[in-house]
Amino acid sequence: AQSVTQLGSHVSVSEGALVLLRCNYSSSVPPYLFWYVQYPNQGLQLLLKYTSAATLVKGINGFEAEFKKSETSFHLTKPSAHMSDAAEYFCAVSKRGSTLGRLYFGRGTQLTVWP
Amino acid sequence: GAGVSQSPSNKVTEKGKDVELRCDPISGHTALYWYRQSLGQGLEFLIYFQGNSAPDKSGLPSDRFSAERTGGSVSTLTIQRTQQEDSAVYLCASRRGEGEQFFGPGTRLTVL
Repeated sequence: AQSVTQLGSHVSVSEGALVLLRCNYSSSVPPYLFWYVQYPNQGLQLLLKYTSAATLVKGINGFEAEFKKSETSFHLTKPSAHMSDAAEYFCAVSKRGSTLGRLYFGRGTQLTVWP
Repeated sequence: GAGVSQSPSNKVTEKGKDVELRCDPISGHTALYWYRQSLGQGLEFLIYFQGNSAPDKSGLPSDRFSAERTGGSVSTLTIQRTQQEDSAVYLCASRRGEGEQFFGPGTRLTVL
């Protein structure tokens, strides 16, 4: 079974500081991994995804994530936070090799950016 | 269209009433998903359509929930005899091939 754990339901950083949002997955086979962002009253927008290529994945808005199989992690980082990064972030997995493609989500991390 | 659209954006209903939520996927996207987002349960998968068939409906929480898709396009999620615990944001997503899922803005359902 697929499961995702996001450590920290709330993260606060100052503008310009490093953003680190943690995600660990549980799967017998390394899955496909995703990070989504949700702004208030909007749907989910894909930030980045890991399928099977480079383990360091670069996404939109300056975010990146590194797949670490040994740690079953896919943490999201951004070197310098901006006020516009304030949103809720979701880590998700889908089963590799499955045509169904359903996503299993973590509980989300609310990012607050202080001026 | 340019993106996934959902209607209505907000729906307030009384306990026991039936509701229908609509999803218009991106043109050409054969896969369509319904998810539910609630405070207590987070984001949960409900049902998956490939074309007009639903090979995975394992996430539907009860037999009060049903969904259909016609013409390989529009999908309707129906909740019968709504209960207060059905209050949530219902999100629809569509996908072409094995690409990413594109999400709509959701329908916020409030059951009084």
